[in-house]
Amino acid sequence: EAGVTQFPSHSVIEKGQTVTLRCDPISGHDNLYWYRRVMGKEIKFLLHFVKESKQDESGMPNNRFLAERTGGTYSTLKVQPAELEDSGVYFCASSSSGRALAGELFFGEGSRLTVL
Amino acid sequence: GENVEQHPSTLSVQEGDSAVIKCTYSDSASNYFPWYKQELGKRPQLIIDIRSNVGEKKDQRIAVTLNKTAKHFSLHITETQPEDSAVYFCAASGPGSSNTGKLIFGQGTTLQVKP
Repeated sequence: EAGVTQFPSHSVIEKGQTVTLRCDPISGHDNLYWYRRVMGKEIKFLLHFVKESKQDESGMPNNRFLAERTGGTYSTLKVQPAELEDSGVYFCASSSSGRALAGELFFGEGSRLTVL
Repeated sequence: GENVEQHPSTLSVQEGDSAVIKCTYSDSASNYFPWYKQELGKRPQLIIDIRSNVGEKKDQRIAVTLNKTAKHFSLHITETQPEDSAVYFCAASGPGSSNTGKLIFGQGTTLQVKP
């Protein structure tokens, strides 16, 4: 099966600009997660979609971050306006309903964001 | 909130030696503990996992042990090979996440296996 795909793989923007990251989960996976890893630290949970609904957005840093999953397929994560501390690798992961009970997630390769 | 501590942050071993990475977690309700391996520039991939009803699980050269009383779990890699070089992340199912799949990750361990 095709894996989780993310775009872009790397984005370099200036402070104050806007960036939109996209994630295409594995087909048929209802659960979609966004995580972020800041250099050298843990992979930190941002939010969780079940189909098009936000199940848990407790990890979203602030209101500069907006995640959507219209139609319950792909998801976007927009950062507006970007700040220096937003730099990091943003991972998307997906899981089918059954596997989500066990926490078995399939990750994308990540989108590296560099804010200058 | 839930916290997962992982040690060491870097680990260098000689090919053929064993490597051990340890994690502790804070939420006693956590019941699922996966380990992910991330090679340079690639996606994190699940290599082994353990659930709270068992104390040890093995898969060829890798094994994971879990001590629920002490709230720690460890990854053991035997007969290490250069291709084992990667960043390893431990994780625990987060608070109230028994039906959501949310994971809390450790900080990662960079393992280098020297030929």
